[in-house]
Amino acid sequence: DQQVKQNSPSLSVQEGRISILNCDYTNSMFDYFLWYKKYPAEGPTFLISISSIKDKNEDGRFTVFLNKSAKHLSLHIVPSQPGDSAVYFCAASATGTASKLTFGTGTRLQVTL
Amino acid sequence: DVKVTQSSRYLVKRTGEKVFLECVQDMDHENMFWYRQDPGLGLRLIYFSYDVKMKEKGDIPEGYSVSREKKERFSLILESASTNQTSMYLCAITDRTSYEQYFGPGTRLTVT
Repeated sequence: DQQVKQNSPSLSVQEGRISILNCDYTNSMFDYFLWYKKYPAEGPTFLISISSIKDKNEDGRFTVFLNKSAKHLSLHIVPSQPGDSAVYFCAASATGTASKLTFGTGTRLQVTL
Repeated sequence: DVKVTQSSRYLVKRTGEKVFLECVQDMDHENMFWYRQDPGLGLRLIYFSYDVKMKEKGDIPEGYSVSREKKERFSLILESASTNQTSMYLCAITDRTSYEQYFGPGTRLTVT
């Protein structure tokens, strides 16, 4: 039972344009959401997060939007750069679960020149 | 900077061997996690520990065990390795007040 879903396995975007990565979840107990970026042969690195009390969080070129009623979040990268090419995982957690994260299956982003 | 180290980057083992993967942190964080990453399946939690000698099963604990004798060290053990345990294994840490997990570089394990 996949509680966190990333339905697009891959995405290709031109340099300078916006990248939008999507994530859906089914567990209504999730109240904290994170995005991680992963390069091949490296561990994931934390990118940005959002609490369920907010609907938007911004950090430089990265913005995460949360739509609780639709159980949907998205990561926007503007402008996209070639160094953004990586696999992106969304993750979710619920209060009282010892910081345990449930991850999505990942979206491979390729930023082309 | 948070430092999470894993004992090997690449490992090749034979079916039936006992395999130890070690994770060491330098941050005095309470929580430590072991995941495996497989194409199309994302990261799946195997075991986690929120204190010394404490452990909890994750989503896919079958075929694995763990040990946490010291706060900074969390070991994943494959009692009898099988080919379906060929995967990328990732260790992560976090403290009790945070959700952001910090990951080690991973161990690519191949079981032949």
